Amino acid sequence: DVKVTQSSRYLVKRTGEKVFLECVQDMDHENMFWYRQDPGLGLRLIYFSYDVKMKEKGDIPEGYSVSREKKERFSLILESASTNQTSMYLCASSFMREGGEQFFGPGTRLTVL
Amino acid sequence: QKEVEQNSGPLSVPEGAIASLNCTYSDRGSQSFFWYRQYSGKSPELIMFIYSNGDKEDGRFTAQLNKASQYVSLLIRDSQPSDSATYLCAVKRTGRRALTFGSGTRLQVQP
Repeated sequence: DVKVTQSSRYLVKRTGEKVFLECVQDMDHENMFWYRQDPGLGLRLIYFSYDVKMKEKGDIPEGYSVSREKKERFSLILESASTNQTSMYLCASSFMREGGEQFFGPGTRLTVL
Repeated sequence: QKEVEQNSGPLSVPEGAIASLNCTYSDRGSQSFFWYRQYSGKSPELIMFIYSNGDKEDGRFTAQLNKASQYVSLLIRDSQPSDSATYLCAVKRTGRRALTFGSGTRLQVQP
C-alpha cells in the first residue's frame, strides 16, 4: 500500500512565524505535490516537484516555498505565516507515468493566529 | 469557466438508491479522469480512474466518460449511509503532471 505521511495533523502558529510542513512517501514516487483546501474553493495546487531539487509553481505559490532534498521527502515552507494561510494542507505523490493517480497524506490543519 | 466543474450539492438520495455524480471539464486534451471520496476532516482517497470513453465498473461504482461531451460521471449503486461524503472529480491534462480538481459534490445517503 502507498503510504504518504505528514509531520503534523494539527498546527497552531502566530502571524510572522516561519512554518515547516513535511511530507514523506514510501513508494519511490517521482512526483510530489502540496495543495491547500478551503471550503468552497476546493483543492488548489501550491507547488509540485518531479525530481530531487526540482520544483514548479502551482496555481497559488505566493507566500510559500518548497524543498526536496531527498526523493521521499517534500517540505512546504511558509516564510512568514499570515492569517489567510489558515487552511488544510494536503500532500500527495504519484508515479511519473501516464496514469497520474495521486495518493494523499492525512493532511495538516494549520491555524495562524 | 472553471477547468473542472461539479455541482456542490448536497445531493440527497435514500439508502439503496443509485447516486449519480457529474463532472464537466474544459480542456478537450485531458487524458485521465479520477474520482476521489473525501470524508469530513479526512484526506481524499482514490475510488476509480478512467481513461477511455465508455463505462468502467468496480463493485458498486461505475465511472462513465464521454470525451466528445467533456463529461465524466460516477454512479453509486445500492447507496449506503457510509457513502455519505464529498466526491471530488479530478482531471489530468496533457503536459501537466498535477491533477486539476473540481470543488466536489457532497452526497448524503438517507437511512
